[in-house]
Amino acid sequence: AQSVSQHNHHVILSEAASLELGCNYSYGGTVNLFWYVQYPGQHLQLLLKYFSGDPLVKGIKGFEAEFIKSKFSFNLRKPSVQWSDTAEYFCASNDMRFGAGTRLTVKP
Amino acid sequence: NAGVTQTPKFQVLKTGQSMTLQCAQDMNHNSMYWYRQDPGMGLRLIYYSASEGTTDKGEVPNGYNVSRLNKREFSLRLESAAPSQTSVYFCASIRTEMLAFFGQGTRLTVV
Repeated sequence: AQSVSQHNHHVILSEAASLELGCNYSYGGTVNLFWYVQYPGQHLQLLLKYFSGDPLVKGIKGFEAEFIKSKFSFNLRKPSVQWSDTAEYFCASNDMRFGAGTRLTVKP
Repeated sequence: NAGVTQTPKFQVLKTGQSMTLQCAQDMNHNSMYWYRQDPGMGLRLIYYSASEGTTDKGEVPNGYNVSRLNKREFSLRLESAAPSQTSVYFCASIRTEMLAFFGQGTRLTVV
């Protein structure tokens, strides 16, 4: 079974700073990986997904993630964050297991 | 287009009481999942149903039961609520490629 882990529990950035949130996966056959976002008081929504092909995947709201097989990583990036990106971010595998989440706080 | 509907949105129970959390989806998905979300622990899988008529345990099934009533509905039951079950519960309906659609959540407090 595949699992994912997130090591950043809480990240605080100023607006316009660049973002990178870490996600590592364990080997387990077919690799499908997801990033979900949960805005305060809301349910999880899909940001982006990787199934195969181009390892750089682009999602909504300017987010992207890169699948690096040699590092077992699928890190989430955004070049310039906004206050409205304040949320909790979850990495997930195709086993429907989620990481512990990373809370992002963006200061105006 | 409702997507995934959970009821109730909020509930307060006394220790030992029972209740059922309801979840329904209108997307004709085969798979449905129940998670609990606790601070610092992310989402933990309680039970899932890969198809109508089947259910399986997830990471934290103790104290819970589930019923996949039909393709649309997947309920979660707490037979004897405990304070440790205070949490936010999310139901998810899963599309074929393991893409999840979540309900709005149920905030449960057990006192």
